[in-house]
Amino acid sequence: EAGVVQSPRYKIIEKKQPVAFWCNPISGHNTLYWYRQNLGQGPELLIRYENEEAVDDSQLPKDRFSAERLKGVDSTLKIQPAELGDSAVYLCASSYMGGAYEQYFGPGTRLTVT
Amino acid sequence: AQTVTQSQPEMSVQEAETVTLSCTYDTSESDYYLFWYKQPPSRQMILVIRQEAYKQQNATENRFSVNFQKAAKSFSLKISDSQLGDAAMYFCAYTGTASKLTFGTGTRLQVTL
Repeated sequence: EAGVVQSPRYKIIEKKQPVAFWCNPISGHNTLYWYRQNLGQGPELLIRYENEEAVDDSQLPKDRFSAERLKGVDSTLKIQPAELGDSAVYLCASSYMGGAYEQYFGPGTRLTVT
Repeated sequence: AQTVTQSQPEMSVQEAETVTLSCTYDTSESDYYLFWYKQPPSRQMILVIRQEAYKQQNATENRFSVNFQKAAKSFSLKISDSQLGDAAMYFCAYTGTASKLTFGTGTRLQVTL
């Protein structure tokens, strides 16, 4: 069984540029999560999808971040424009359902904003 | 809001020895789950062990076991017979009715020969 796939693995951009991250969850997983992990910290939830509906986006900085999950499968997280403080690892995870179901994580995208 | 605290930024253990990582949490919920995740340098978070709050029995997975003290809101991870492959960041995490994981700041575990 394939795991959660993310691309790219690394991205370096200049501030004010746009950037997008892509995630393909495990087949059959209805719930998809995007987390941001700052250096030396644990991941923090940005947004959670149940199928194609964003059910928790309270921590998503909506002025510059956007996300979509078309057809309830793949998801894209976008930042426009990027700021220096956005440098972090962006992790995608999926689970069969929400709640206590195990979340399976992808390898993450390390973003560096210069 | 729920919080998870890991007070040990770094721990070290010799190969084949036992080490315990500490975690405390704060919540007003009665129904919740606690997890320990391992994050090696590859960055991929891997679930190590899970504990349901309603279960009194401590969870065990091979060399990994937890000491869950609900009244004290404490959830420590014990790794027995440590191996070089156990070296990683370990995160304690909580999920309750909000269905989102709240992570601690992590403990970096070094395993020495």
